[in-house]
Amino acid sequence: ETGVTQTPRHLVMGMTNKKSLKCEQHLGHNAMYWYKQSAKKPLELMFVYSLEERVENNSVPSRFSPECPNSSHLFLHLHTLQPEDSALYLCASSQVFLGETQYFGPGTRLLVL
Amino acid sequence: GNSVTQMEGPVTLSEEAFLTINCTYTATGYPSLFWYVQYPGEGLQLLLKATKADDKGSNKGFEATYRKETTSFHLEKGSVQVSDSAVYFCALSDQVGGYQKVTFGTGTKLQVIP
Repeated sequence: ETGVTQTPRHLVMGMTNKKSLKCEQHLGHNAMYWYKQSAKKPLELMFVYSLEERVENNSVPSRFSPECPNSSHLFLHLHTLQPEDSALYLCASSQVFLGETQYFGPGTRLLVL
Repeated sequence: GNSVTQMEGPVTLSEEAFLTINCTYTATGYPSLFWYVQYPGEGLQLLLKATKADDKGSNKGFEATYRKETTSFHLEKGSVQVSDSAVYFCALSDQVGGYQKVTFGTGTKLQVIP
């Protein structure tokens, strides 16, 4: 595997379910990001981990819980979501330095019923 | 805070037409500027970037010049192809504490028809 991978690619869940999204980067980067992409809205930065430490939590509801066990893996744990949480969730990685390119995974398309 | 404004889409062009997608930004300091492209069913991928004023980024026939005086980073291509149909995002990054924070525009959908 190369680049940034995300699993699952598609997920349908009820509001009472608990699920997790997984992201893995094979680029040797030291920062990882979760973004939410909704129709007709800019990408929303949700969480940032730099050197495995969470450095940004952009006022995200507590029903989203990130985990970064090492520099290559990032998880987003989901529980009691709302229908408005349906979106494409993108993971990205980069080096921490200014001007470095962020590399994105293909995303997980989430539908909350 | 930082912000990025790009032209509303969708933009529909005939093959071989000239493309311009406008992008302006507001930022303190000296951000780096990017254009990312998203093809259907995929994540974003870097198209080009510029890290300081007057730099020109270029890739696959696309170009954009970092204009500090007009706070702009317009994307251009001389002759578009059907395969260029995608959503294009302008973005800036700024160093915030221990990481770089990227601010994205809303995206401009480009459709190229044969």
